[in-house]
Amino acid sequence: QKEVEQNSGPLSVPEGAIASLNCTYSDRGSQSFFWYRQYSGKSPELIMSIYSNGDKEDGRFTAQLNKASQYVSLLIRDSQPSDSATYLCAVYPNDYKLSFGAGTTVTVRA
Amino acid sequence: DTGVSQDPRHKITKRGQNVTFRCDPISEHNRLYWYRQTLGQGPEFLTYFQNEAQLEKSRLLSDRFSAERPKGSFSTLEIQRTEQGDSAMYLCASSLAVGYEQYFGPGTRLTVT
Repeated sequence: QKEVEQNSGPLSVPEGAIASLNCTYSDRGSQSFFWYRQYSGKSPELIMSIYSNGDKEDGRFTAQLNKASQYVSLLIRDSQPSDSATYLCAVYPNDYKLSFGAGTTVTVRA
Repeated sequence: DTGVSQDPRHKITKRGQNVTFRCDPISEHNRLYWYRQTLGQGPEFLTYFQNEAQLEKSRLLSDRFSAERPKGSFSTLEIQRTEQGDSAMYLCASSLAVGYEQYFGPGTRLTVT
């Protein structure tokens, strides 16, 4: 079982719609959770971090965490063409390394 | 620019040659990480430093790979006797402390021909 799994893409959404990305993790002791955005050929850029159960909003992005279900999600509201990228879910299963999912590629159609 | 920097950004080398990459972390961050990323995959952990001490190495890091962080500042990652399977993006990240956000540099794309 992979440590971090993301819903397989690609995900295509029309401009202005909500993009919903899901992630599950295997280590129940994980405490820190992150979403990174990665444009083609570039390095990952941190867009959200979440540490407690519930929702965290930052602009058009909302991260949701449910530790009991070992589930993290990212919602992108009012999707824009500039949101077209691969989104990586990352989890700290221990105290030193991040474990990443394989990523979900999002395409926003104009 | 006060972010993580990496040099070079691109490296093309012939199989069997040695290559060295450099990473300069965010200045107040004492943790520095190296990852490798191949197409269609998320970054995979290679090794990390707390200050100058290398505290963990992945089993991905064969004996051809070595990393240093002298004086707890910049870090270097050397690959000896490169193989075509070493072709990847090598990413460096830094963080303030345990469990905190990691910020990535622009990466070094290595192509082994």
